[in-house]
Amino acid sequence: EAGVTQFPSHSVIEKGQTVTLRCDPISGHDNLYWYRRVMGKEIKFLLHFVKESKQDESGMPNNRFLAERTGGTYSTLKVQPAELEDSGVYFCASSLSPPATYEQYFGPGTRLTVT
Amino acid sequence: AQSVTQLDSQVPVFEEAPVELRCNYSSSVSVYLFWYVQYPNQGLQLLLKYLSGSTLVESINGFEAEFNKSQTSFHLRKPSVHISDTAEYFCAVRNRGSTLGRLYFGRGTQLTVWP
Repeated sequence: EAGVTQFPSHSVIEKGQTVTLRCDPISGHDNLYWYRRVMGKEIKFLLHFVKESKQDESGMPNNRFLAERTGGTYSTLKVQPAELEDSGVYFCASSLSPPATYEQYFGPGTRLTVT
Repeated sequence: AQSVTQLDSQVPVFEEAPVELRCNYSSSVSVYLFWYVQYPNQGLQLLLKYLSGSTLVESINGFEAEFNKSQTSFHLRKPSVHISDTAEYFCAVRNRGSTLGRLYFGRGTQLTVWP
């Protein structure tokens, strides 16, 4: 069974540009999470989808970040326009339901560098 | 609100030596506790977890962690490390009363095992 996959693995963009990160969860996992780790700091929660609905988006830093999960399968996280402080590693995770019961499986992350 | 403190960002040890990675947490509510491990170029993997019952939990590869409620700690230990244990280790908590799966992480501890 394939694990959580993320694309791209690395992205280098200039300040002001747009970047879209993609996450493919494990098949059958209704729950999908995005987390971010800024260098030297803790991994921080961004948001949680249950199928195509945003269950909790309290961790989204500002309105430059837009997450979608059309059809309840893969998810995209768009940053527009990107700022220097958006640099970091973006992790995606997925789990079965209910989310409080099941383990989260993480992808390898996308390393975003904004110059 | 929950917060997790990992006191050591880097822990270098020699092969076959014992190791302890420290984790303390702060929370106004009861929590579940987790240790995740990230090997190079891979996603985070669940190493072990404390949900209830015995405060001493073990992993399949020889790590153990003990939940200490009075000290709000969940330190990770291994009596004899291998070079293959070199990885970054993350302590995390989740709100016990929540139906959601949001995790709160520490900053991570890089364990490097030298021959």
